[in-house]
Amino acid sequence: EAGVTQFPSHSVIEKGQTVTLRCDPISGHDNLYWYRRVMGKEIKFLLHFVKESKQDESGMPNNRFLAERTGGTYSTLKVQPAELEDSGVYFCASSQDFTGSAFFGQGTRLTVV
Amino acid sequence: SQKIEQNSEALNIQEGKTATLTCNYTNYSPAYLQWYRQDPGRGPVFLLLIRENEKEKRKERLKVTFDTTLKQSLFHITASQPADSATYLCALDRASGTYKYIFGTGTRLKVLA
Repeated sequence: EAGVTQFPSHSVIEKGQTVTLRCDPISGHDNLYWYRRVMGKEIKFLLHFVKESKQDESGMPNNRFLAERTGGTYSTLKVQPAELEDSGVYFCASSQDFTGSAFFGQGTRLTVV
Repeated sequence: SQKIEQNSEALNIQEGKTATLTCNYTNYSPAYLQWYRQDPGRGPVFLLLIRENEKEKRKERLKVTFDTTLKQSLFHITASQPADSATYLCALDRASGTYKYIFGTGTRLKVLA
């Protein structure tokens, strides 16, 4: 069974540009989460989808961030326009239900220069 | 707000010894407390979950304890091996069914041969 897959693994963009990160969860997992780790800090929750619906987006930093999960399968996280402080590693995770753990992808390292 | 502290940023230990990592939290007791392993360039990998009404959980060479009075969890790796070298993350989930994890910054464990 394939795990959670994230694309790209690395992205370097200039300030002001747009970047879209993609996450393919484990097949059949209704729950999908986005997290972010900025340099030297802990991993922080961004938002949670249940199927295609946003269950909780309280961790989204501001309106430059837009997450979607059309059809309840893969998800995208768009940052527009990117700022320097958006640099970090963005993790996606998925889970089937709430009785166990979430499975994380390898992360996308975003560098805004 | 909830804050998590993991005892040290780095821990070196001799092969064969028991590694003990600490996770302290400051506020409410979480419904779940989980331990993850993270290798460089990879996403966190779930190891063990312990619920608020459990004192101890074991899995092979791993053991987790949970003391809600002390607001502390201890993570033990017995008979440690160089392959156990990684960063270990503690994560709290306030209520079952959220996966809005609050992570610690992690402890970097190095097992010396």
